[in-house]
Amino acid sequence: AQSVTQLGSHVSVSEGALVLLRCNYSSSVPPYLFWYVQYPNQGLQLLLKYTSAATLVKGINGFEAEFKKSETSFHLTKPSAHMSDAAEYFCAVSDGGTGGFKTIFGAGTRLFVKA
Amino acid sequence: SQTIHQWPATLVQPVGSPLSLECTVEGTSNPNLYWYRQAAGRGLQLLFYSVGIGQISSEVPQNLSASRPQDRQFILSSKKLLLSDSGFYLCAWSPGGSGANVLTFGAGSRLTVL
Repeated sequence: AQSVTQLGSHVSVSEGALVLLRCNYSSSVPPYLFWYVQYPNQGLQLLLKYTSAATLVKGINGFEAEFKKSETSFHLTKPSAHMSDAAEYFCAVSDGGTGGFKTIFGAGTRLFVKA
Repeated sequence: SQTIHQWPATLVQPVGSPLSLECTVEGTSNPNLYWYRQAAGRGLQLLFYSVGIGQISSEVPQNLSASRPQDRQFILSSKKLLLSDSGFYLCAWSPGGSGANVLTFGAGSRLTVL
C-alpha cells in the first residue's frame, strides 16, 4: 500500500525567505509523486509531478522538488517566498497502473507568509 | 480544452436527508473519475473512483454511494446524511490508461449537515 507523510501541518516563513515543505512517501513500486496547491475554498491545482524522467522537478510559480529514493522523500522548495504563496500544499503518490489507479494524498501543510 | 464542473457549490442539509452532488467533465472521453472528501484540518480522503460507465470502486465503507450513468458524469449520493458527512467534497478526473495520474479538480462542494 502507498502512503504519504507531510511533516508539519503549518509552516510560517517571511516574505523573501526559503520555503521548504517536507514529504516522505511509501510505495512498493516505483511511484509517481505530485505536489498540489489549494487556495481557500477552491479545488487543488497541480504544482509539479515526478515521473522518473529527472529527479529534480520544476513546477509553476518558481517551485521545485527533488526526488530522493534513498530517503523516500520528495520535498518542495522555493528560494524566495511571496505573499501569494500562502495556501495549503498537498503531497501525493500514485502507482500509475492501469485499471483505475488511485492517488493518495498527505494531510497537507498550510503555508503562512509574513510580510 | 477540458473543463470540470461540480455542483452545488454549497449546501446545508439536515441530518437524515438525502444528498446528490453532481460532477461533469467536458472536452475528454473515457476519463477516470474520482470523489474525494476533505474534512476540516485533514487531508483528502479518496471515497470513490471510476474507470468507466457503471464501474465504481469504493475506498471507504460509509453511507455514501457513487454512480456513473454517463461517460463524463459522476454522482455522489446518500439516502440519509449523518453529521459526520459534513466536509468539502471534491470531484476530479484524470486521463484513462497508465502513466502519471495527474488529477484535475473541480471547485468543490461544501456540505454542512445540521
